[in-house]
Amino acid sequence: DQQVKQNSPSLSVQEGRISILNCDYTNSMFDYFLWYKKYPAEGPTFLISISSIKDKNEDGRFTVFLNKSAKHLSLHIVPSQPGDSAVYFCAASALGTYKYIFGTGTRLKVLA
Amino acid sequence: DAGVIQSPRHEVTEMGQEVTLRCKPISGHDYLFWYRQTMMRGLELLIYFNNNVPIDDSGMPEDRFSAKMPNASFSTLKIQPSEPRDSAVYFCASSFSTGVIQYFGAGTRLSVL
Repeated sequence: DQQVKQNSPSLSVQEGRISILNCDYTNSMFDYFLWYKKYPAEGPTFLISISSIKDKNEDGRFTVFLNKSAKHLSLHIVPSQPGDSAVYFCAASALGTYKYIFGTGTRLKVLA
Repeated sequence: DAGVIQSPRHEVTEMGQEVTLRCKPISGHDYLFWYRQTMMRGLELLIYFNNNVPIDDSGMPEDRFSAKMPNASFSTLKIQPSEPRDSAVYFCASSFSTGVIQYFGAGTRLSVL
């Protein structure tokens, strides 16, 4: 059973437009959420995170939104750039653990 | 810092053979994690260590898999005997206990024929 789900395996967006990547989770004990970006032949790299005490966190072009009641988070990229083309993983962890549960990833393609 | 270093980058082996994957974490990090990436299941945590001690190995798929961390700068993941369904990309990651960000190596792509 997947505790963290990314239901869209792929997404294509035009350069300059907004990219929205979604993630759902089932475990109410999760209280910290992260997004990682992965390029081919490289390991995942940390992008942005959010604690359950917040509902929004911004870092430049990247914003993560958390809706605890819906157990849903999303990553917004505005404006999207071709260099953003990668696989994006969301991950969740519970307080006091160092264990991440990752989703299956969404492949984003930004078209020039 | 060179980051998390994994070797080999690619491994091709035949079913039944022993496979050993290696990882050097970032110096000073006290947590080390082994993950497996597949299309169907994404990134799965196999096992993690704190100060060289295994803390949670509940993700290890079966007894054919074993992991060790003999010192703070080296860890191995061994599969014996290997099977075609073990084909995947295996990642090692490390972190500080005071931080939440895990830093990943470039991975080892394993193909079992």
